[in-house]
Amino acid sequence: KAGVTQTPRYLIKTRGQQVTLSCSPISGHRSVSWYQQTPGQGLQFLFEYFSETQRNKGNFPGRFSGRQFSNSRSEMNVSTLELGDSALYLCASSPPETFYYEQYFGPGTRLTVT
Amino acid sequence: QQQVKQSPQSLIVQKGGISIINCAYENTAFDYFPWYQQFPGKGPALLIAIRPDVSEKKEGRFTISFNKSAKQFSLHIMDSQPGDSATYFCAARLDSNYQLIWGAGTKLIIKP
Repeated sequence: KAGVTQTPRYLIKTRGQQVTLSCSPISGHRSVSWYQQTPGQGLQFLFEYFSETQRNKGNFPGRFSGRQFSNSRSEMNVSTLELGDSALYLCASSPPETFYYEQYFGPGTRLTVT
Repeated sequence: QQQVKQSPQSLIVQKGGISIINCAYENTAFDYFPWYQQFPGKGPALLIAIRPDVSEKKEGRFTISFNKSAKQFSLHIMDSQPGDSATYFCAARLDSNYQLIWGAGTKLIIKP
């Protein structure tokens, strides 16, 4: 099976702009989670989608949003970018048979805000 | 409290030695405790996981020890190798909504 894919891999945006990141989960995985990773903060949970519904949400401002499509592909959007949004954004998908503790991560999208 | 506290933040171990990373939690509503390994430029990957009704689980050189009464669990890497140099994350899964709560990570360096 193909792994989790994320596009684009690298992105440079200007403060105030918005950005959309895409994630394609492993075939058959219906749960998709998004994380922000920075050197000082580790892995911060953004949200999780399951069957097109947001099931869990982390403590991020409303500028961060996401959605999931019927084919389980997911997108996350960040509006009004701030310098502090510069980070590696990771997407992970989970199979139901492990009750979602086993997450398969993509390579991430490196977002730089200038 | 939905926190998992991980220590140390960084660790240097000589090749062949034992690497030990510790995690502690307060919430008793966790029902699975996985460990993830992350190499630079890659996403984390599941290494090993344990349920709270098991005190120890071993997979090759990697062992999880779980102390339910103390609400602590740890990862032991026996005969540590330079290829084990990576960042390790512990996590705990909430039984109510399956959300993973993550530790802050430990950067492990194995010196040859």
